[in-house]
Amino acid sequence: SAVISQKPSRDICQRGTSLTIQCQVDSQVTMMFWYRQQPGQSLTLIATANQGSEATYESGFVIDKFPISRPNLTFSTLTVSNMSPEDSSIYLCSVVGGTYEQYFGPGTRLTVT
Amino acid sequence: DAKTTQPNSMESNEEEPVHLPCNHSTISGTDYIHWYRQLPSQGPEYVIHGLTSNVNNRMASLAIAEDRKSSTLILHRATLRDAAVYYCINGGSEKLVFGKGTKLTVNP
Repeated sequence: SAVISQKPSRDICQRGTSLTIQCQVDSQVTMMFWYRQQPGQSLTLIATANQGSEATYESGFVIDKFPISRPNLTFSTLTVSNMSPEDSSIYLCSVVGGTYEQYFGPGTRLTVT
Repeated sequence: DAKTTQPNSMESNEEEPVHLPCNHSTISGTDYIHWYRQLPSQGPEYVIHGLTSNVNNRMASLAIAEDRKSSTLILHRATLRDAAVYYCINGGSEKLVFGKGTKLTVNP
């Protein structure tokens, strides 16, 4: 199993600003994923973060809006840039375990005013 | 990834078995069937996965139809802590495509 922590756990931000969310894993993992969960909705994959290469973004998500860093095998950051109220969501990171299961962090609850 | 169809909600009584159905009629031969659940205010939690054969673990059992077009997650004895949204997902282990899931309510 993997234990994942995220910082901050929640934040309230003003529109037009940016927030960087940190994801820390207690073991080395190859792939990390970032998801968004809008209010009352299911999870949507934003991007896959690979160490040593550019993140791979899903349709509808772009690097300028959601830049991702992956400096090592235990850490990643997701920045939500130039925020608007529509970005108010829970942002979660996850990693794949040894036998196909994914482990998710507790999420970062973002409110944009 | 193949789409799945689940009931929006189900109810169960505490200490009774719960059978959560999932239809995945367009599943491909190499797609796994994954189940995750999300408790209130938490990230999703892995429950179980399988390919063709029925699977058991400490949390639940997964019954897979012979044609793989449907599956059932079985909680053998529901507790109040099992109240959550349960997601059935087809595909590989990496890019999970979450549907709306089934919200399970467990009555005391």
